[in-house]
Amino acid sequence: GAVVSQHPSWVICKSGTSVKIECRSLDFQATTMFWYRQFPKQSLMLMATSNEGSKATYEQGVEKDKFLINHASLTLSTLTVTSAHPEDSSFYICKPFFQDRQETQYFGPGTRLLVL
Amino acid sequence: AQSVTQLGSHVSVSEGALVLLRCNYSSSVPPYLFWYVQYPNQGLQLLLKYTTGATLVKGINGFEAEFKKSETSFHLTKPSAHMSDAAEYFCAVTPSGNTPLVFGKGTRLSVIA
Repeated sequence: GAVVSQHPSWVICKSGTSVKIECRSLDFQATTMFWYRQFPKQSLMLMATSNEGSKATYEQGVEKDKFLINHASLTLSTLTVTSAHPEDSSFYICKPFFQDRQETQYFGPGTRLLVL
Repeated sequence: AQSVTQLGSHVSVSEGALVLLRCNYSSSVPPYLFWYVQYPNQGLQLLLKYTTGATLVKGINGFEAEFKKSETSFHLTKPSAHMSDAAEYFCAVTPSGNTPLVFGKGTRLSVIA
């Protein structure tokens, strides 16, 4: 069965609104969460890394005030796209790190965001 | 720092023919290596992985890959292509389990009937 879930699986929103994406670890505790995004016909790029209970570390070029990441528990991390614009339209994917499953690499099923 | 190069953004093979998707990596430490497949409008599915041990790794759907340290390669192969194999394939590397994956640009596989 699924190890990681994401909600919603897809969302359409108007420009200027905020969208929250949830990533849940279903069977294991995720001490670290990686958030990636994938623009159409491109590869996955790391956006940020968060550790449970601490602030996220963002990759160069990713605005921390625009992409708010909360990792308040070992089973839930959220990514909020604030004041979304059409250029934020992308496929957002989370990937937890499980301390007890270090060699596995489970991705969430992804959230497709379309900003009109 | 790690990096991945996938040679060929698009590979086309006939149904029943050998599939070979190339991946070369750069890593300062022994890497963990992965191949993922992505079907249109879907997420990533893990095909296979190499962490330690046997260098020939077998995955799902008849795919396999061989870790060659001397060549810094991890090419993906399948003896006989099926129409259902048409998808985007990504090679990825990481130095350990708790560090992020670095992805190649991907290779789109087309299978011709």
